[in-house]
Amino acid sequence: AAGVIQSPRHLIKEKRETATLKCYPIPRHDTVYWYQQGPGQDPQFLISFYEKMQSDKGSIPDRFSAQQFSDYHSELNMSSLELGDSALYFCASSLELSSTDTQYFGPGTRLTVL
Amino acid sequence: GNSVTQMEGPVTLSEEAFLTINCTYTATGYPSLFWYVQYPGEGLQLLLKATKADDKGSNKGFEATYRKETTSFHLEKGSVQVSDSAVYFCALSGRGGTSYGKLTFGQGTILTVHP
Repeated sequence: AAGVIQSPRHLIKEKRETATLKCYPIPRHDTVYWYQQGPGQDPQFLISFYEKMQSDKGSIPDRFSAQQFSDYHSELNMSSLELGDSALYFCASSLELSSTDTQYFGPGTRLTVL
Repeated sequence: GNSVTQMEGPVTLSEEAFLTINCTYTATGYPSLFWYVQYPGEGLQLLLKATKADDKGSNKGFEATYRKETTSFHLEKGSVQVSDSAVYFCALSGRGGTSYGKLTFGQGTILTVHP
């Protein structure tokens, strides 16, 4: 079965640079979530989209922005990168925006900021 | 706001031992509850879920019952295997308001099973 695809899998950037993470949800899933997982920590919700509109926002820095495109893929743009942005970034998708619906996670993008 | 508290780890067991990982939550209304598992270097996989009180989720020998009266969703397995070694996350998804759909995770519990 098709799964959530994230690219790139690994990314190394310098401080103050910009990074773009991409997420391709499972076909027919119209809801996308982004989470950030620091080393040894639990995933923290960043932002979500439903039908190409932002549906919720968590602890996402103003330096980060995201959007969902007409084909439902999503991109997380991170500017002025800081050392503390080094983390695993997960994208998840679900069939609909619902508290009962299962979120399927991608393998994650490991971002390292030097 | 919503929160999830898991028992602190790491948990180390011998193969075929009984496993319990405690999870309690705080939420308004009636959240949905989930257990996710994360193997080294991989993403999170749904292990089981329950969407209303007294529901029991089960998968691969793991079980958890949604207890509204004690606000708990403890994970259990009767006989663990070495392949169960992973990090286990309890999570909830709230209903209504601005918390719709997003997952709030517990701290995670590292489980190591020895042969």
